[in-house]
Amino acid sequence: QVQLVESGGGVVQPGRSLRLSCAASGFTFSNYAVHWVRQAPGKGLEWVAVISYDGSNEFYADSVRGRFTISRDKIKSTVYLQINSLSHEDTAVYYCARNLEEYQLMSSFQHWGQGTLVTVSS
Amino acid sequence: EIVMTQSPDTLSVSPGDTVTLSCRASQSVRNALAWYQQRPGQAPRLLIFGASTRATGIPARFSGSGSGTEFTLTISSLQSEDFAVYYCQRYNNWPPLTFGGGTKVEI
Repeated sequence: QVQLVESGGGVVQPGRSLRLSCAASGFTFSNYAVHWVRQAPGKGLEWVAVISYDGSNEFYADSVRGRFTISRDKIKSTVYLQINSLSHEDTAVYYCARNLEEYQLMSSFQHWGQGTLVTVSS
Repeated sequence: EIVMTQSPDTLSVSPGDTVTLSCRASQSVRNALAWYQQRPGQAPRLLIFGASTRATGIPARFSGSGSGTEFTLTISSLQSEDFAVYYCQRYNNWPPLTFGGGTKVEI
């Protein structure tokens, strides 16, 4: 079955960097766009970034553009989120999510990982 | 940017009730609208896409309707496992994708 497993979260000091991973299995990885969505403690969902099925296109929320970079490795079936210059406002559970529809960049999210918690604290 | 507004923030209901949740878009999103359920400590789960199509494995007591700027999610005969937070999401005119602020359905 489809699985998305995030890792890489933890406690990190402000200004530092972190790379999150989303390991995918159970589907044809190269056919689907993958998104990152975050949720601050007690808050709602915030879309962060998307990478197209072939890695040729990336889009970001205004709040993270320039600091976050999304990428994918088709050999490892993994999507990454590089986060630089972390601030307290980046504290959240970060989820990766797969599109419902193949090849589409934007779609509803049929599958979600369990999330990885990033805590920015000195 | 298209803003998604959900109402109410919280609904206090009883098992067996039927509830209707509202989601309004600041401009038309046509039918590019999804609903998600999030139980405490869990990832969101897709319930409805295309405004009215139930996702795989979603019980028939969940139904979605609407188009353009006004959407509703109706849950009939609430079960104990339905007490959760519900989010709408639009996925057209991207980026960005945007979620509503959520409606908590509580006992």
